[in-house]
Amino acid sequence: AQSVTQPDIHITVSEGASLELRCNYSYGATPYLFWYVQSPGQGLQLLLKYFSGDTLVQGIKGFEAEFKRSQSSFNLRKPSVHWSDAAEYFCAVGAGQAGTALIFGKGTTLSVSS
Amino acid sequence: DAGVIQSPRHEVTEMGQEVTLRCKPISGHNSLFWYRQTMMRGLELLIYFNNNVPIDDSGMPEDRFSAKMPNASFSTLKIQPSEPRDSAVYFCASSEPSSGIHGYTFGSGTRLTVV
Repeated sequence: AQSVTQPDIHITVSEGASLELRCNYSYGATPYLFWYVQSPGQGLQLLLKYFSGDTLVQGIKGFEAEFKRSQSSFNLRKPSVHWSDAAEYFCAVGAGQAGTALIFGKGTTLSVSS
Repeated sequence: DAGVIQSPRHEVTEMGQEVTLRCKPISGHNSLFWYRQTMMRGLELLIYFNNNVPIDDSGMPEDRFSAKMPNASFSTLKIQPSEPRDSAVYFCASSEPSSGIHGYTFGSGTRLTVV
C-alpha cells in the first residue's frame, strides 16, 4: 500500500537549535517527494521537492531535505530554527505524472521555544 | 495570479442542510484536487479532476458528497445532507500539467462546522 508516515506528531525545538523532521514512505514506483508547511488558518505551502538527481535538496526558508532510497526516507532539516518556523509540516509522495494525486502524511507540529 | 481561491472561508450550518464549497483554480492548471483535513485523519484526498473530468472519487466518503467541475475555472464540492461528522477544513488544490514535478498550489481552505 502507498503511504507516508511521519512518526513525530509534535516536536518542540529551542530557537536557534537544529531541526529534523522525519518522513518515511511506502510507494510502488519511483517516488516524487514533497514537504509542505501549513501556518495556522492557512493553506499548505510547498517548501521543497525531490524527483531526481542530487539527493540533498534545498528549499525555501532555509530548509533542506535528504532522500535516502535505502531507508525509504525523506527527512526535513534546518540548521537553526526561528520562532516563525512554528507550524505544521507535511510530507507527501506522488507518482510524478501529470494529474496524479499526492499522498500526505498526517503531519508534524513544530513548536519553537525561546 | 491570485492563487487558488476558495469560498467561503468559514461556513457554519445546521445538520441536514446542503453545503456548497467553491474553488477557482489557477489559470492554466489542468488538475484540481479536493482534500479534507481533520485532526483524526489528517489530509484525505476526496476527489480529483484532470481537464475537468473526474479521475478518482474513491475518497468521497459517501453519496452525500458530490463534486463537479463544469469548466476549467470552477469546481464545487457539495454535501447534502450535512452531518456534524463532516466538520473539517476542506482544501482545494490545483496543479500544472507537469504536476509531479511542481506539486500543488493549495487554497486557504474552507472551515466547515456542522452543528
